[in-house]
Amino acid sequence: AQTVTQSQPEMSVQEAETVTLSCTYDTSENNYYLFWYKQPPSRQMILVIRQEAYKQQNATENRFSVNFQKAAKSFSLKISDSQLGDTAMYFCAFMKQETSGSRLTFGEGTQLTVNP
Amino acid sequence: DTGVSQDPRHKITKRGQNVTFRCDPISEHNRLYWYRQTLGQGPEFLTYFQNEAQLEKSRLLSDRFSAERPKGSFSTLEIQRTEQGDSAMYLCASSFWTGSGYTFGSGTRLTVV
Repeated sequence: AQTVTQSQPEMSVQEAETVTLSCTYDTSENNYYLFWYKQPPSRQMILVIRQEAYKQQNATENRFSVNFQKAAKSFSLKISDSQLGDTAMYFCAFMKQETSGSRLTFGEGTQLTVNP
Repeated sequence: DTGVSQDPRHKITKRGQNVTFRCDPISEHNRLYWYRQTLGQGPEFLTYFQNEAQLEKSRLLSDRFSAERPKGSFSTLEIQRTEQGDSAMYLCASSFWTGSGYTFGSGTRLTVV
């Protein structure tokens, strides 16, 4: 079974600064996907960024980038130029690569607050 | 297509009553997932469908829970004889292929009193 651990229950950052959220996972699989999801207060879960395990290049999406260390089973999210709208719960998630579909296994989440 | 729709948004029910939730996925998505999320926690997997076939069920899904996806379109999740421990947000998501990530609905918040 896969497990995902987010060791930072809460983090805060000043607007326009950079923050990094940590995530580690445990799996015996070699092919898989990793995701970061954002859940603003009382709003739906939104996909922020995804990474295929077979790709060595770290994924980037505008102000969001990841540091994927496969050997260390680490998948951190960096948010640059933080904005007030980035305030949300952030979940790291793991998915096995299966052709018939697969469940997402989520971490416990990190509550990020961006302060003005 | 306006995304994944869930109905109702909120449901308050008395303990022991049955409740049913509906999820309408994105029309091109053949995979549909149900998750449960309690306050301050990450979502927990319940079950998923590929088209109309229910391919996997979590052991969290007791005999009181049942899910269907007739004709591979919308899905329903029914909880019979609700208990206070069933109070949670029930999330539906859909996807087109493995690894694309899910598109989530806004969820149905269930409160059992």
